[in-house]
Amino acid sequence: GQQVMQIPQYQHVQEGEDFTTYCNSSTTLSNIQWYKQRPGGHPVFLIQLVKSGEVKKQKRLTFQFGEAKKNSSLHITATQTTDVGTYFCAGGLHNTDKLIFGTGTRLQVFP
Amino acid sequence: EAGVVQSPRYKIIEKKQPVAFWCNPISGHNTLYWYLQNLGQGPELLIRYENEEAVDDSQLPKDRFSAERLKGVDSTLKIQPAELGDSAVYLCASSKEGYYEQYFGPGTRLTVT
Repeated sequence: GQQVMQIPQYQHVQEGEDFTTYCNSSTTLSNIQWYKQRPGGHPVFLIQLVKSGEVKKQKRLTFQFGEAKKNSSLHITATQTTDVGTYFCAGGLHNTDKLIFGTGTRLQVFP
Repeated sequence: EAGVVQSPRYKIIEKKQPVAFWCNPISGHNTLYWYLQNLGQGPELLIRYENEEAVDDSQLPKDRFSAERLKGVDSTLKIQPAELGDSAVYLCASSKEGYYEQYFGPGTRLTVT
């Protein structure tokens, strides 16, 4: 079946360092969404990318959708303790409205 | 605007007992989802509704799980009988339509003993 994998599974960084998580799908996606889940919380929508090669920025966060629409990345510049949480990508499947959530990357930021 | 409401927030039951979860989506959102999330993993779709119609229930274990969304607004997910392996967080989410961003409720943490 369709799978969406993320690496790394965990990342510990010092506050101020950069962080990147990578998302890879076994099939071509119609769109990619990113969610953040704080410890003990629920997933919160961050952004949606639709076009091949698309890049979007939200303050310190940069999101990319690969040219082949099978991979994506989230880069955080100069991490802060408020960035702590698990980041999930979710890939949209063609001809359905189904989202397949990735395995997630848990980010820990040390002050 | 009120978010997605779920109840109860926590539930502890013994195995073989029934349990039900309730979800009220954001007003005007036609699509409603039930997900299961195990610790350290991403949400896994159980069932998706477009209004009152279940359009994707391929991942719902139909021998013990059932769901309904009778008037196309709030929804109930039931497990009968519960098994130890059902311990997880059950998340409800809604969206305007299937393609758009999903808004999640706080979830129900189920513990089966």
